[in-house]
Amino acid sequence: GAVVSQHPSWVICKSGTSVKIECRSLDFQATTMFWYRQFPKQSLMLMATSNEGSKATYEQGVEKDKFLINHASLTLSTLTVTSAHPEDSSFYICSASWAGAPNEQFFGPGTRLTVL
Amino acid sequence: GDSVTQMEGPVTLSEEAFLTINCTYTATGYPSLFWYVQYPGEGLQLLLKATKADDKGSNKGFEATYRKETTSFHLEKGSVQVSDSAVYFCALGDTGTASKLTFGTGTRLQVTL
Repeated sequence: GAVVSQHPSWVICKSGTSVKIECRSLDFQATTMFWYRQFPKQSLMLMATSNEGSKATYEQGVEKDKFLINHASLTLSTLTVTSAHPEDSSFYICSASWAGAPNEQFFGPGTRLTVL
Repeated sequence: GDSVTQMEGPVTLSEEAFLTINCTYTATGYPSLFWYVQYPGEGLQLLLKATKADDKGSNKGFEATYRKETTSFHLEKGSVQVSDSAVYFCALGDTGTASKLTFGTGTRLQVTL
């Protein structure tokens, strides 16, 4: 149980284009979803927290207009990297939590974004 | 604010060696503590957790005990295998529901034959 999927698992795009990454909770309703960014050989950096039906809360230093987060349903959140540049290349990981397991997050497998 | 400090890696061990990865934390209140494992090219998987002082989390031969007096949650395994090679993250969550996690920097473990 508590499976989280991400799509795509990897994506390559040209500089200036936008990329959408989906995060789905497959067998539970996710009250909260989190988006992380992970640089090579480094820890996870929390980008934003989103609750279904409301605006995401972004961490300090994360550009909300650059990284658009939508959490339209209890099983789906999307992260759109707008006007991507090579410095946006990274591993993006989402996680989800639900009321039945407080204080615990279930992680997706991650999406590798490469911007050429 | 909350913080987690992990020993720097990489840690290189021979198969069947004893493993300890140190983790200490700073937090207000009584956080939950977690160890996550990340295999190459994959997302994080919860390895074990402890929600209150003196709790011991265990899974797949790994153990960690929540020590409030030393604010530590060290990860141990008596006999590592090559398949344990991965990056291990210590993390804490505050006491709120669906809380944010604060991660350590991760420790890479390489186990050789």
